Amino acid sequence: DAGITQSPRHKVTETGTPVTLRCHQTENHRYMYWYRQDPGHGLRLIHYSYGVKDTDKGEVSDGYSVSRSKTEDFLLTLESATSSQTSVYFCAISHSYTYSIDSGANVLTFGAGSRLTVL
Amino acid sequence: KQEVTQIPAALSVPEGENLVLNCSFTDSAIYNLQWFRQDPGKGLTSLLLIQSSQREQTSGRLNASLDKSSGRSTLYIAASQPGDSATYLCAVKTGANNLFFGTGTRLTVIP
Repeated sequence: DAGITQSPRHKVTETGTPVTLRCHQTENHRYMYWYRQDPGHGLRLIHYSYGVKDTDKGEVSDGYSVSRSKTEDFLLTLESATSSQTSVYFCAISHSYTYSIDSGANVLTFGAGSRLTVL
Repeated sequence: KQEVTQIPAALSVPEGENLVLNCSFTDSAIYNLQWFRQDPGKGLTSLLLIQSSQREQTSGRLNASLDKSSGRSTLYIAASQPGDSATYLCAVKTGANNLFFGTGTRLTVIP
């Protein structure tokens, strides 16, 4: 997990409350991603960022918003948490987006995860 | 939509055995395929990445192959060790803004 940290690592909250998860990187990678992992579904992309203030939706973006005001920070916000958003959330970073002749630039590096429970 | 399947969902082998994990995908138009390892309660660690133009990649006791035309990849682990016990995930990068993951194979290596 060197170079990428997520906070908080664990959070329990109640339905209807706002929640913000933070991803911080020291690698100066351009691309950052938020995934959620649920049993039977694998990892699914929520939102991603391709630069400061540049973000876009992923496969399961409903109920989530993101912001990236600095290269190193990517925030995921649940405006009004629901029980269906109970999950483990992973942040990831990469140097390249789709293809680079340098295969190392395509490698996706993940944070340790944030476990969110919505009661 | 790209579908990624990993079979079996779980596998137990005795220590020292060579083993193969399978990954199949439905759309061959991929940029790359990546194999990850995930330990319980932890994040994902990248093991190997195969570019679409490559057929295989090796790292230590690990060898990953890619056959785009048939939509298959295998991860070969030689001389398995108890420390190899983990869940192994494959993921394919498509031309869209996504990396599609399989649900993983949970490997247990018995001492």
